[in-house]
Amino acid sequence: AQSVTQLGSHVSVSEGALVLLRCNYSSSVPPYLFWYVQYPNQGLQLLLKYTSAATLVKGINGFEAEFKKSETSFHLTKPSAHMSDAAEYFCAVSDRSNDYKLSFGAGTTVTVRA
Amino acid sequence: NAGVTQTPKFRVLKTGQSMTLLCAQDMNHEYMYWYRQDPGMGLRLIHYSVGEGTTAKGEVPDGYNVSRLKKQNFLLGLESAAPSQTSVYFCASKLRGTEAFFGQGTRLTVV
Repeated sequence: AQSVTQLGSHVSVSEGALVLLRCNYSSSVPPYLFWYVQYPNQGLQLLLKYTSAATLVKGINGFEAEFKKSETSFHLTKPSAHMSDAAEYFCAVSDRSNDYKLSFGAGTTVTVRA
Repeated sequence: NAGVTQTPKFRVLKTGQSMTLLCAQDMNHEYMYWYRQDPGMGLRLIHYSVGEGTTAKGEVPDGYNVSRLKKQNFLLGLESAAPSQTSVYFCASKLRGTEAFFGQGTRLTVV
């Protein structure tokens, strides 16, 4: 079964600094990959997804992620953090052949310092 | 367009009581899911369904039952609630090959 590992349960950045959240998956076959964001007391909202050949994926709110097969990674970045980016971020994965099985990482909480 | 709607949003149960959480989606999605979210553990899959009338166990199914009698609804039941089931429960739905859409969550406390 697919699994994802998010490195770092908490990340603190200054406003205007780079945000980098790490995600590694377990499969040797490229899966579908997703990043979700969760604001306090809300459900999960899709930031971006990798489902095709394009390895650099742009999402909402200025986020992007790069799929690297050689590193089995799908790290999320944003060049300049904003206070509104404070939230919890989840990486998720599903097999292309059995994509009904959707697994999530443990999450990374981002705090933004003024 | 309501998306995924969970009922209720909050509930407090006494140990041993039963309850049913309702999830409804209006997007004609094939797949539906129930997850629980606990601090530091991400989202863990309880049960899922790939179509009307079918259900399957996820990672943490013990103590829960589900039913999907109609395509748009996915019910999660707790027959005899335990304090370990205190959590935030999320329902999600998706089409094959696309992302999942989530409800706003149900915060359940078992005392």
